[in-house]
Amino acid sequence: NAGVTQTPKFRILKIGQSMTLQCAQDMNHNYMYWYRQDPGMGLKLIYYSVGAGITDKGEVPNGYNVSRSTTEDFPLRLELAAPSQTSVYFCASRDPSGQGYGYTFGSGTRLTVV
Amino acid sequence: DAKTTQPPSMDCAEGRAANLPCNHSTISGNEYVYWYRQIHSQGPQYIIHGLKNNETNEMASLIITEDRKSSTLILPHATLRDTAVYYCIVNPNAGGTSYGKLTFGQGTILTVHP
Repeated sequence: NAGVTQTPKFRILKIGQSMTLQCAQDMNHNYMYWYRQDPGMGLKLIYYSVGAGITDKGEVPNGYNVSRSTTEDFPLRLELAAPSQTSVYFCASRDPSGQGYGYTFGSGTRLTVV
Repeated sequence: DAKTTQPPSMDCAEGRAANLPCNHSTISGNEYVYWYRQIHSQGPQYIIHGLKNNETNEMASLIITEDRKSSTLILPHATLRDTAVYYCIVNPNAGGTSYGKLTFGQGTILTVHP
């Protein structure tokens, strides 16, 4: 099925470890986003990309890095994991030529840093 | 982006209409009103959007006041599966400096009971 695929679904990291959260979409959407959601809170934007090779910071970028080498993939890198990065991470994509809708979210990656 | 205000929680009986209000008094002329919902920590799901006219689709209806300062999402026959957090978001359609980034507030927790 077409959509946004996130891997892994769950992960436990130790403090100081690193990992990459994978996000792939097969809808040829130019715009992609990474959000995090802490318990009981709304989503906050970490990074976004408007096309291959173009990325920019969102509201809470510290401790994360992204790259966008292809239209399909938008991985999120955590360097030196900290307990404050325990959260649920959602990737989303969008077709900017669409009429306002078209945001498709992945099912999320639940990350715990201990 | 304009901010929105929603009640933190609402209840609805199964089979009845659920009317979820949203205030967005600072909305700009080019900003759309979007509604998303999030069921049990899954990725947010698009419901409906509108600019100034009332809109209806297979999931819901959106009523926007003439001055565009508030709106109401209507689920005509709520079911138990509609229990979720509902987010009202205002955002330009595409492009511009916001690049379609979504700003999520706390949303309204809708509980549908038998």
